[in-house]
Amino acid sequence: GENVEQHPSTLSVQEGDSAVIKCTYSDSASNYFPWYKQELGKGPQLIIDIRSNVGEKKDQRIAVTLNKTAKHFSLHITETQPEDSAVYFCAASMGDYKLSFGAGTTVTVRA
Amino acid sequence: GAGVSQSPSNKVTEKGKDVELRCDPISGHTALYWYRQSLGQGLEFLIYFQGNSAPDKSGLPSDRFSAERTGGSVSTLTIQRTQQEDSAVYLCASSSIRGGLAGVGTYNEQFFGPGTRLTVL
Repeated sequence: GENVEQHPSTLSVQEGDSAVIKCTYSDSASNYFPWYKQELGKGPQLIIDIRSNVGEKKDQRIAVTLNKTAKHFSLHITETQPEDSAVYFCAASMGDYKLSFGAGTTVTVRA
Repeated sequence: GAGVSQSPSNKVTEKGKDVELRCDPISGHTALYWYRQSLGQGLEFLIYFQGNSAPDKSGLPSDRFSAERTGGSVSTLTIQRTQQEDSAVYLCASSSIRGGLAGVGTYNEQFFGPGTRLTVL
C-alpha cells in the first residue's frame, strides 16, 4: 500500500516567518494530495489540495508544490500568524476515498 | 449547519471491557469513514460505509473491531475485549457521496468529527 512520510515532526517559527513541511509518497499511482490542519480538540480540516497534473497551487498565505518525478510534495505557509499553530497532516490518494496520511507536523508560531 | 459529531469525547475503560463509540455524520451524507489516530502517528483508515453497507473493512485491525451503520446515518464502532494498544483517538468522517476525485475540479471532501479519545487502562 501507499506509504507517506512527513518531516519535520515539530516546527517552531517566529511570527511572520515562513514554515515548510515536506512529504514523500511511495506509490506513483497516487494522484491526489490534500493537506489537513488539526487544531486542538478538533478533527482535521482540509486546507488545500493538489492534483498530479498540477505542479503548484496557492491560496492566500498557503501554497503546495508537487514533484511527481521525485514523489514528494510540500506545504508552504508564509507570514505565519499565531492562528497557524496546529498539527498539519499531508495525505496521498489514488483518487478514491482512501487517504494515506503522514504522521503529522506540530507547528508552533512564536509571538 | 451542524458538522460531524462524535460521542463520547473521552472514554476510559479497563482492559478486557467492550466499548462503543458513536458517530453522527452530516445530515444527508451517504459516505462515512472511521479512522484511528495513535500518538505520534497519522490517521489510519479503519472502515468505509456507503449507506448502511461497508464495502471496505480492510483497515479493521482485528476481529475485536466491528462497526455498523443504521438508517444511513448514525454509525457505531465497537471494540470488544479492549487492549492497551487500542488506546487512541478514533475519528469519524463523512462525505456527501463516495469520497474521492469525481471529474475535473471536484473532490468529495471528507469532513471530520472531533474524535473520541479512548484510554484503556
